[in-house]
Amino acid sequence: EAGVAQSPRYKIIEKRQSVAFWCNPISGHATLYWYQQILGQGPKLLIQFQNNGVVDDSQLPKDRFSAERLKGVDSTLKIQPAKLEDSAVYLCASSFSDEQYFGPGTRLTVT
Amino acid sequence: DQQVKQNSPSLSVQEGRISILNCDYTNSMFDYFLWYKKYPAEGPTFLISISSIKDKNEDGRFTVFLNKSAKHLSLHIVPSQPGDSAVYFCAASDGNDMRFGAGTRLTVKP
Repeated sequence: EAGVAQSPRYKIIEKRQSVAFWCNPISGHATLYWYQQILGQGPKLLIQFQNNGVVDDSQLPKDRFSAERLKGVDSTLKIQPAKLEDSAVYLCASSFSDEQYFGPGTRLTVT
Repeated sequence: DQQVKQNSPSLSVQEGRISILNCDYTNSMFDYFLWYKKYPAEGPTFLISISSIKDKNEDGRFTVFLNKSAKHLSLHIVPSQPGDSAVYFCAASDGNDMRFGAGTRLTVKP
């Protein structure tokens, strides 16, 4: 069984630029999550999708972050414009029950 | 708001000994608890879980203990192996939200 795929693995951008991350969940997993993990902290949920609907986006900074999962499969997370404090690893996870399966993450550095 | 806390950022143990990683939570609505293991440059991988109706769950060398009255859980690894060296995250779920602790870096020395 293929795992959760994410791309790119690494991205370096300057502040005020835009960036997008892509996630392909495990086949058949209806629930998809985006997390932000800042160095030294645990993953923090940004947004949760159930199929193509948003279940929880209460911690998503909506003035600069957006996410979509148009066909209920792949998802993209966008940051526009980026700030220095957005430097983190962005993890995508999917689940069909209580256990979440994580992708390798995208390490974003904003300079 | 830190609803899940792992107060030890790091732990070092000798190979063959027991590793005990601790986790405390504040939200009494959490009813499912998980441990994830993370190697560098990889995403967290699920290790073991426990439901609030149990106080112990064992899987090979890994055992998770839950003390609901103390809102505390722990992960025991015995015997510890060098390949267990990783960051371990405790997570708690109320069925809707999952919250993660900050992680404990375990180093198992040969």
